[in-house]
Amino acid sequence: AQSVSQHNHHVILSEAASLELGCNYSYGGTVNLFWYVQYPGQHLQLLLKYFSGDPLVKGIKGFEAEFIKSKFSFNLRKPSVQWSDTAEYFCAGGVGSQGNLIFGKGTKLSVKP
Amino acid sequence: GAGVSQSPRYKVAKRGQDVALRCDPISGHVSLFWYQQALGQGPEFLTYFQNEAQLDKSGLPSDRFFAERPEGSVSTLKIQRTQQEDSAVYLCASSLGGTVRRGELFFGEGSRLTVL
Repeated sequence: AQSVSQHNHHVILSEAASLELGCNYSYGGTVNLFWYVQYPGQHLQLLLKYFSGDPLVKGIKGFEAEFIKSKFSFNLRKPSVQWSDTAEYFCAGGVGSQGNLIFGKGTKLSVKP
Repeated sequence: GAGVSQSPRYKVAKRGQDVALRCDPISGHVSLFWYQQALGQGPEFLTYFQNEAQLDKSGLPSDRFFAERPEGSVSTLKIQRTQQEDSAVYLCASSLGGTVRRGELFFGEGSRLTVL
């Protein structure tokens, strides 16, 4: 069955620390992968997406993610987090011929000033 | 409108009541999705429309859940005889194209349903 799993439920970092949030997927066929962010009190917004090509994708606000096919992973990274990155982060995946996305359970990131 | 609009933002229902949740997608967006997000969980897919056609309703948890998009624009998610386990945030999202490769889903702020 298709699934997306996120390893960390809650991550707490100090400002300027580096971030890596794990995401693994289980799909057959060509997979499209996404990271969404939900800031407190706001709706879900797209951070970045991977369809094909360069496995290192860059998104907004200095975030990037690397697609590693051999590990079925699509981890999110940021070299230096800011307090304003405090939010919940969701990894999602879908198969190109289908309409819906499957979301992971999310990782809450708290950044201490 | 500028974004996806959902109403009501908050709904409290007594167990057994029927509720209707409305979604107004971004103008011109072909695809519309409904997701259910329970507390501490990620969004769970409920159903998907392409224009007025409901192409996938495999995520609807029971026959008490019904969704429609009669004119290919506004959509309504109806829950009949609500149960406590229906308490969740119901998210609506729209996108310009028709498949996952369309790119971005634009989400509304959700309708939080509490069933007492």
